[in-house]
Amino acid sequence: EDKVVQSPLSLVVHEGDTVTLNCSYEVTNFRSLLWYKQEKKAPTFLFMLTSSGIEKKSGRLSSILDKKELFSILNITATQTGDSAVYLCAGLDDKIIFGKGTRLHILP
Amino acid sequence: KAGVTQTPRYLIKTRGQQVTLSCSPISGHRSVSWYQQTPGQGLQFLFEYFSETQRNKGNFPGRFSGRQFSNSRSEMNVSTLELGDSALYLCASSLVATGGSGYTFGSGTRLTVV
Repeated sequence: EDKVVQSPLSLVVHEGDTVTLNCSYEVTNFRSLLWYKQEKKAPTFLFMLTSSGIEKKSGRLSSILDKKELFSILNITATQTGDSAVYLCAGLDDKIIFGKGTRLHILP
Repeated sequence: KAGVTQTPRYLIKTRGQQVTLSCSPISGHRSVSWYQQTPGQGLQFLFEYFSETQRNKGNFPGRFSGRQFSNSRSEMNVSTLELGDSALYLCASSLVATGGSGYTFGSGTRLTVV
């Protein structure tokens, strides 16, 4: 059965810290890995990763995919209180399979 | 441009009733997918429609059904509601089927079954 596992489930850090969120996947016919940020209701798209070893960056956020080891990481540097959210990872084949998310809380 | 619009935002129903939720995708997006989000199970895929055809279906009972209209708007129906159907129902649209360009989510419909 296809599955996506995220760790840690929750994380509390201080503003300015750097965090690394993990996502491992077992997805038949894997095509891409997606990262989303969910603050209240609508998850917002962060990254889509298709090729192994190529880092994608957007400001203080970056992500990379390892297709050999079947995992991805999401890094957030110089965290801010506005980064507090649930971060969702999803594997994509002919459907999308979400992990249960990492709840990140940034203390001021 | 307008985002993904879901209506209603909140809904309270009684066990045994049925409910219909609506999702209007971003203009030009032809794929609409539906998800159920609960604290225990996280975000779970229900089904995806593309050009009025169901392309994929998740592991949900037949009480959950959907359809897509020619203008790409989609509806999801749940019949014979159970308490466990209480959840946030999210829809997402994308340009092509199976989110090849990434999904854009709506703000969801919060369904409470009492």
